[in-house]
Amino acid sequence: EAGVAQSPRYKIIEKRQSVAFWCNPISGHATLYWYQQILGQGPKLLIQFQNNGVVDDSQLPKDRFSAERLKGVDSTLKIQPAKLEDSAVYLCASSFSTGTTEAFFGQGTRLTVV
Amino acid sequence: GQQVMQIPQYQHVQEGEDFTTYCNSSTTLSNIQWYKQRPGGHPVFLIQLVKSGEVKKQKRLTFQFGEAKKNSSLHITATQTTDVGTYFCAQMDSNYQLIWGAGTKLIIKP
Repeated sequence: EAGVAQSPRYKIIEKRQSVAFWCNPISGHATLYWYQQILGQGPKLLIQFQNNGVVDDSQLPKDRFSAERLKGVDSTLKIQPAKLEDSAVYLCASSFSTGTTEAFFGQGTRLTVV
Repeated sequence: GQQVMQIPQYQHVQEGEDFTTYCNSSTTLSNIQWYKQRPGGHPVFLIQLVKSGEVKKQKRLTFQFGEAKKNSSLHITATQTTDVGTYFCAQMDSNYQLIWGAGTKLIIKP
């Protein structure tokens, strides 16, 4: 079974530029999460999708961050414009919505804003 | 909202010593999940506990869920260098949202 795919693995951009991350969850997983993980801290949920609907985006800085999951499968997370404090690893995860519901994580995208 | 408190933040042990991390909640947890994140890696699911007083073992790892379902622990016996990483507890709520603890970083002293 293929895991959660994310791209790119690494990205370096200048502040005020824009960037986009892509995630393809495990086939059949209805729930998709985007997390921001700053070095030394735990994952912070940015947005959670159930199929193509948003369940929770309360911690998403909506003035600069946006995310979509148009067909209920893969998803993109965009930052525009980026700030220095956005430097972090962006993790995508997915889970089933029934039964045992552990989350499966992708390898993440390490973003450096300079 | 519901919070899961995890302690300690760091634990330094000599290789071969035991390691324990604890999660506590002021409210009853429907379940508790444990994840391990290696340095530079992503969180990997270890186990889920659901029943009051549940104890599960995975080789040298022992996971417990308290009788009142308000606390949980992960104990590693005789740590090895491969155990290095950060261990997170998390609860998945009815909206399939994970409520994360802050994590405990296991550091093996040379």
